[in-house]
Amino acid sequence: ETGVTQTPRHLVMGMTNKKSLKCEQHLGHNAMYWYKQSAKKPLELMFVYNFKEQTENNSVPSRFSPECPNSSHLFLHLHTLQPEDSALYLCASSQDLSRNTEAFFGQGTRLTVV
Amino acid sequence: GEDVEQSLFLSVREGDSSVINCTYTDSSSTYLYWYKQEPGAGLQLLTYIFSNMDMKQDQRLTVLLNKKDKHLSLRIADTQTGDSAIYFCAEKYSGAGSYQLTFGKGTKLSVIP
Repeated sequence: ETGVTQTPRHLVMGMTNKKSLKCEQHLGHNAMYWYKQSAKKPLELMFVYNFKEQTENNSVPSRFSPECPNSSHLFLHLHTLQPEDSALYLCASSQDLSRNTEAFFGQGTRLTVV
Repeated sequence: GEDVEQSLFLSVREGDSSVINCTYTDSSSTYLYWYKQEPGAGLQLLTYIFSNMDMKQDQRLTVLLNKKDKHLSLRIADTQTGDSAIYFCAEKYSGAGSYQLTFGKGTKLSVIP
């Protein structure tokens, strides 16, 4: 148990659906991240939030829309996804964005787009 | 850009030592990490090493860093079946005023009983 909780653990959605992934941490961390893990590819950093402000958007398509209402919660809103978006989506948090902080990961949401 | 390379598979017999290797490209890396991912789970931080260190030992885990060759290794002594997982090497680099992690593709360790 890392202290980072993601829901749901599994999600199947159609290409016309709208769904949201949720991430929650009560570690007192100020930075939160979304990563995408696809088969046979390195983890891809999608978004970074620090003190609720987005600091990184790694050229992620607009069909992925993050939201960070407070430092403890992070959402990823999904709409009109493609089958190639099927992957494990991992949330992580760290104390801040400095060099000596560790990132703690949630267990991920396994997303399947049909 | 930053790049982290790992071999994809490693098989060892139970009780033997496992050595997982990683190379990275960013010479300004500050910290290097090893994460473990068990099936259906997220990433668990195993250990890390600061870039001015050569070695770090933590129980059955030994991390060796060759900064000149940009080579990192993780040795697991007395490997057990519970060590079967995917191991990710990651480096923390400086980008756009903050520090970010870059991961390798992961090495799948299979432990044969």
